[in-house]
This record gives sequence, structure tokens and C-alpha cells, in this order.
Amino acid sequence: DAKTTQPPSMDCAEGRAANLPCNHSTISGNEYVYWYRQIHSQGPQYIIHGLKNNETNEMASLIITEDRKSSTLILPHATLRDTAVYYCIPIFYSGGSNYKLTFGKGTLLTVNP
Amino acid sequence: SQTIHQWPATLVQPVGSPLSLECTVEGTSNPNLYWYRQAAGRGLQLLFYSVGIGQISSEVPQNLSASRPQDRQFILSSKKLLLSDSGFYLCAWSARRGRVNEKLFFGSGTQLSVL
Repeated sequence: DAKTTQPPSMDCAEGRAANLPCNHSTISGNEYVYWYRQIHSQGPQYIIHGLKNNETNEMASLIITEDRKSSTLILPHATLRDTAVYYCIPIFYSGGSNYKLTFGKGTLLTVNP
Repeated sequence: SQTIHQWPATLVQPVGSPLSLECTVEGTSNPNLYWYRQAAGRGLQLLFYSVGIGQISSEVPQNLSASRPQDRQFILSSKKLLLSDSGFYLCAWSARRGRVNEKLFFGSGTQLSVL
């Protein structure tokens, strides 16, 4: 799986958009980009994933660059409850039955009132 | 809907004592099951995963073992706990077939303190 680089921490004002970058310059054509977050003392929670096209769901938007070497997770209106560690995880889909996630250090997003 | 239950939420055990953490999944069949550990101030580490009853794969050598006696039950055990076994233990599941939209669903975790 591709190696990722994320800033260790970011701050965001409540109500503003939070833009979390992830560099995955070694990503292969078969690797999807998944984003999870982990609120303190809880298990990680799936947010969104994508391959080439930008994606949006009820939680966030995912913008993937055309060369797929980086992506940005966007929380359009951050709330205090969005304070968490955000993980960017490229995943190689082999079509098999195993599905392992390797979590890096992620970005600690702190939403301030 | 699917749910995952993990217990206990917190556990304090003396060094050398045994350990048994249990995880069960409801609302799905033939899930992949996982045990992760998160040491204080560190990232999530995959310990074990299972694709079926009695099928356990270990990711790292350690003092722990895992078992899957039933399709939706996953147990993490140790015969003698070490101080280094302290951490936040998370159980997770995903659908069996590797579809592109598969996601991992985590339990609420067990905070284990070995003293």
C-alpha cells in the first residue's frame, strides 16, 4: 500500500470549513483512498472513500487531484464534535476476502469555539 | 442493521493474570473480524484478523492469542499479561467479500491497564 503524509495537527474555527490534506504520491492505480476518523477514546469511524472522482456524502467531501498523488477531506461546516484524529488510508483492492487497514498517525483536527 | 458489541469497556488486571476480551457482531453473516490495539500516544496496530470460524491470522508476534469459536464471535486472550499489553483494544468487522465499498466497523473498545 502507498505511504501517506498528513500534517500532525490542524485547527479550525467552529462553523468554518476544515480542509485536511493527505499526500499519497506513491499510490497505485488500484488503490482507493479511504478516510476514517477517531474521536478520543472511541473506535475509528468510516467517513468517505474514492478512486479518481471527487466524492461527497452526508459527512464530508473528498477531493482527489487528477494525478491522484494527493487528496483533501473537506468538512464543510466543522462543529466541536468533529474534533478527532483523521486518517487517510490508501487501500489496494485485490478482490480477495481479506481486507486489512493500516492506520498511520493521522491528523489531529481541533475545532475551536 | 449491524451492530458490534465489545466488553468490558475498561479493565484493570495485575501482571501475570489471564485475559479474555470478547466481541460479537449482530446483523450480518460471515464477517471478517479484527483485533486492533492502540498503545498510549501511538497509532492503531492490527493484531489479528479472521476470515472464518477457527481461521486466525496473526500480524505481529506477541503475548496474545485470538480465537473464533462461532461465526460472529471473536475472542482475544492471554495466559499471562505483561505490562506492555496495556492499551486500547478495538474489535472490528467488515463484510466477507472484498468489494470496493467495504468498510471497517469498530466496536467501542476496551481500555486495558496492566499493573
